[in-house]
Amino acid sequence: AQRVTQPEKLLSVFKGAPVELKCNYSYSGSPELFWYVQYSRQRLQLLLRHISRESIKGFTADLNKGETSFHLKKPFAQEEDSAMYYCALSTSGTYKYIFGTGTRLKVLA
Amino acid sequence: DTEVTQTPKHLVMGMTNKKSLKCEQHMGHRAMYWYKQKAKKPPELMFVYSYEKLSINESVPSRFSPECPNSSLLNLHLHALQPEDSALYLCASSQGVGAEEKLFFGSGTQLSVL
Repeated sequence: AQRVTQPEKLLSVFKGAPVELKCNYSYSGSPELFWYVQYSRQRLQLLLRHISRESIKGFTADLNKGETSFHLKKPFAQEEDSAMYYCALSTSGTYKYIFGTGTRLKVLA
Repeated sequence: DTEVTQTPKHLVMGMTNKKSLKCEQHMGHRAMYWYKQKAKKPPELMFVYSYEKLSINESVPSRFSPECPNSSLLNLHLHALQPEDSALYLCASSQGVGAEEKLFFGSGTQLSVL
């Protein structure tokens, strides 16, 4: 069965510190992986997807098929990065998105 | 218009009521989704419509009835709900139906069942 695991419910870092939000997945096929973010009082929105190999707002994520991971990283956290982050897996041949349980990131001044 | 619009934003209903949630997008997206999100939990997929046809029903109880009248509209009809159905109901859309497609979410309808 497909599964997305985000082991940290809450991650607190100081402004300027590096941040890494962990995501591990379980899927036997070829996965499509995404990070979605929800800022306070805003709708859930896409942050980045692995297929695009892009950097958004300084965040990057690399798909590691050997470790079945898709960790989200940023070298210098900003206070405006404080939000809820969801890792999501989309399985080929379906329209199903499976979301992880989410990690709340708090960036402290 | 690059948004998914959901109405109403809040809804309180009794267990014997019938109500409907509405979702609209004008981005030409061909897939539309209903998700349920309980507090402090991730969104859980309920239904997927692709090209106005129901593609996925994640074993949702029949008291939830989706409808896709056209490519821009998605409704969720509610009848005889239970208090445990109280949640945030999110609508989303995607341009295509491939696994790589990103979802555009609405801001949700906060439903309370008394």
